[in-house]
Amino acid sequence: GAVVSQHPSWVICKSGTSVKIECRSLDFQATTMFWYRQFPKQSLMLMATSNEGSKATYEQGVEKDKFLINHASLTLSTLTVTSAHPEDSSFYICSASQGALGEQYFGPGTRLTVT
Amino acid sequence: AQSVTQLDSHVSVSEGTPVLLRCNYSSSYSPSLFWYVQHPNKGLQLLLKYTSAATLVKGINGFEAEFKKSETSFHLTKPSAHMSDAAEYFCVVSMLTFGGGTRLMVKP
Repeated sequence: GAVVSQHPSWVICKSGTSVKIECRSLDFQATTMFWYRQFPKQSLMLMATSNEGSKATYEQGVEKDKFLINHASLTLSTLTVTSAHPEDSSFYICSASQGALGEQYFGPGTRLTVT
Repeated sequence: AQSVTQLDSHVSVSEGTPVLLRCNYSSSYSPSLFWYVQHPNKGLQLLLKYTSAATLVKGINGFEAEFKKSETSFHLTKPSAHMSDAAEYFCVVSMLTFGGGTRLMVKP
């Protein structure tokens, strides 16, 4: 089946620094990638949808200047958490699909801890 | 607008007994419905999906779900639980709206 990877799998950073998380589709071309955030013992919350070569569409309440998303190629999307604060600590999950309505394949997630 | 409610945050069963994870949805149109499973430190895995074909959908690992439009439900079932089924399960409407999740615990 389709495989999506995320790197790093976990990261610890200091408050005020920026962190970049990569999401890669390993064996298919992902025209659309999604970024989710999952708080402990809670469900996934969609943050944004990105289509290759165009600007990401952010969900209501998600700060686009804080969570920078780049989808520069059909196999790579990145999420950069800028000026991270402890409240940004969370589990970030990406998914990739061939088209906005295609089946999503999920990455294993990245656990971010901001100290 | 769409929403999905998983009626139980935790379900505990004994190994070998049936599993029932409940999901109710609301949608202004005929939705696509999905069940995903999330094991610790692993990505979400698709168990099954309903896309307006047969109302009884069979998935992987012996799971199945029945779409009942009159009840706006899409409950997930399995005849006999296995220890490896212990995980978090998510009901999803139209790929982007997730339920709150149900943690399934399987006792030996």
